[in-house]
Amino acid sequence: DGGITQSPKYLFRKEGQNVTLSCEQNLNHDAMYWYRQDPGQGLRLIYYSQIVNDFQKGDIAEGYSVSREKKESFPLTVTSAQKNPTAFYLCASRNRESNTEAFFGQGTRLTVV
Amino acid sequence: AQSVSQHNHHVILSEAASLELGCNYSYGGTVNLFWYVQYPGQHLQLLLKYFSGDPLVKGIKGFEAEFIKSKFSFNLRKPSVQWSDTAEYFCAVNPEPGGSYIPTFGRGTSLIVHP
Repeated sequence: DGGITQSPKYLFRKEGQNVTLSCEQNLNHDAMYWYRQDPGQGLRLIYYSQIVNDFQKGDIAEGYSVSREKKESFPLTVTSAQKNPTAFYLCASRNRESNTEAFFGQGTRLTVV
Repeated sequence: AQSVSQHNHHVILSEAASLELGCNYSYGGTVNLFWYVQYPGQHLQLLLKYFSGDPLVKGIKGFEAEFIKSKFSFNLRKPSVQWSDTAEYFCAVNPEPGGSYIPTFGRGTSLIVHP
């Protein structure tokens, strides 16, 4: 089945450590996105990528980094510089040419302990 | 940059009550509009979308939304809610193709339906 896979579903990290969240899609979508979801704040855009080897900062990119070496993959690294990393992280992808809606993964809940 | 405003952050209804969730956006050009739903413990899924044509769009599970261009609004409605509609609802907007597609989401509305 086609879709977006985020792993792991739950992740615990000690303060001061970097951690990488995985996002893989087999929908052949060009565009991929990372959002952060916090209660009462909706979805806020962290980074997005329209094509391979290119990505742009979103509204809250500080303390995060991404790479887009393959079309299928858009991993997000939460660095120790992120002051409040505990959150629910959502990855999405979309077919740019047909301008359809974005499809979302199941999300990763990151907790800093 | 575009923005999306959802007026109701928390809504509590009894079963069979009617529902209307407000959504307004700010963007000067042509937009595509979406409503997503997130059931407890599940991922975001599309409820309905508007690209062009009839401004009254129908989605899954009896939901509908009306695009009123003059009011920059895309309100979600359902005549009679069910307990299973308990979820978080997000309105989203993106500019029509030709520019960078950056889906912008509202803050979400948490809906609780009491049986």
